[in-house]
Amino acid sequence: EAQVTQNPRYLITVTGKKLTVTCSQNMNHEYMSWYRQDPGLGLRQIYYSMNVEVTDKGDVPEGYKVSRKEKRNFPLILESPSPNQTSLYFCASSLFSGSWSSYEQYFGPGTRLTVT
Amino acid sequence: LAKTTQPISMDSYEGQEVNITCSHNNIATNDYITWYQQFPSQGPRFIIQGYKTKVTNEVASLFIPADRKSSTLSLPRVSLSDTAVYYCLVESSNTGKLIFGQGTTLQVKP
Repeated sequence: EAQVTQNPRYLITVTGKKLTVTCSQNMNHEYMSWYRQDPGLGLRQIYYSMNVEVTDKGDVPEGYKVSRKEKRNFPLILESPSPNQTSLYFCASSLFSGSWSSYEQYFGPGTRLTVT
Repeated sequence: LAKTTQPISMDSYEGQEVNITCSHNNIATNDYITWYQQFPSQGPRFIIQGYKTKVTNEVASLFIPADRKSSTLSLPRVSLSDTAVYYCLVESSNTGKLIFGQGTTLQVKP
């Protein structure tokens, strides 16, 4: 089944304790992206990757890191989490040809993170 | 990147047609217009995408006027299960940066 998976689905942690949220897709998609969703603010893009070893900042990259060493995986790293990073996080992937076209994104189920 | 503006909320009744309009005044030549649907605690799901004029699929229609500064998502004969948040976004075909906006919460009543 074609899907985007995220782990963990729920995480409660403390300020300053490094954590990684994994994202994996099995559709051979070039493009992957991370979003956070907060009440009243909709979805905001954190980082995205157009292909392996290519990453770029979205709208709200501060406090986050990403890497894209393999096509299928795009982990989100919080080196020193703070309470304002408490949020619902979504990973997404899509095809990307780099030419005159656009493709639908497939979203993962979400990771609910609480930083105390 | 073009910012989008949508109504925060809309109410409808079962069986009615619902039209949600999105404004994107600064849309660029290479940009596409895409709509997503999101249920609580789930990831957004793609509904429809278009560049100009009209696009129709099995669940919705998308109307885009010639100037492309706005678009309208049309949901025919909504049911209670269409209660969700609907996001309009403008996607550039040559960058990966996307701005979703706040979305429109559609409440369908019996």
